[in-house]
Amino acid sequence: GESVGLHLPTLSVQEGDNSIINCAYSNSASDYFIWYKQESGKGPQFIIDIRSNMDKRQGQRVTVLLNKTVKHLSLQIAATQPGDSAVYFCAENTGGFKTIFGAGTRLFVKA
Amino acid sequence: GAGVSQSPSNKVTEKGKDVELRCDPISGHTALYWYRQRLGQGLEFLIYFQGNSAPDKSGLPSDRFSAERTGESVSTLTIQRTQQEDSAVYLCASSSQGGRGEKLFFGSGTQLSVL
Repeated sequence: GESVGLHLPTLSVQEGDNSIINCAYSNSASDYFIWYKQESGKGPQFIIDIRSNMDKRQGQRVTVLLNKTVKHLSLQIAATQPGDSAVYFCAENTGGFKTIFGAGTRLFVKA
Repeated sequence: GAGVSQSPSNKVTEKGKDVELRCDPISGHTALYWYRQRLGQGLEFLIYFQGNSAPDKSGLPSDRFSAERTGESVSTLTIQRTQQEDSAVYLCASSSQGGRGEKLFFGSGTQLSVL
């Protein structure tokens, strides 16, 4: 069933284009950042992470950029595919166990 | 098991009833988390278990909410005298050590609907 609603920021992209999803985090003490993908009816799934001593990290078709000066995180998805359609959450870890999640962005991929 | 398992996947209950939600973490994971996700929102931290340490209950919204964990295995989240505002997806996650900067592995959640 539907696990997220209609009030999320939405990004709509054409299949094959690149997607950029942005996130602002709140705590300057956060030193570990993670992107999760949540498909309808499922729990969030880890995509990629980055620690505060890095500005950029690349995975398979995904890149995370961290700008600590303005407390901004972005997820870039190359050659977006229909299977990338989901809600994407950025999360920050402020030390210890507690991970704080952002509100999420819904990505629609048009075929 | 291969992943985090939650049951039931869906639960419909009447206002005022008690409900129990179950989570089976990944075998060997010492840390277990419960989150709540309201419709159209992000994940709200509820409670954290790490090994045999006292759980961190700082996210529980009221004393109607409680959780237990047996050793490093199954956890149960109990909501007493459910209210309509309790309607949400309740997600369980586990991680291998519960230390600083670990990715979480989530179950598919329990969709709770309070009528």
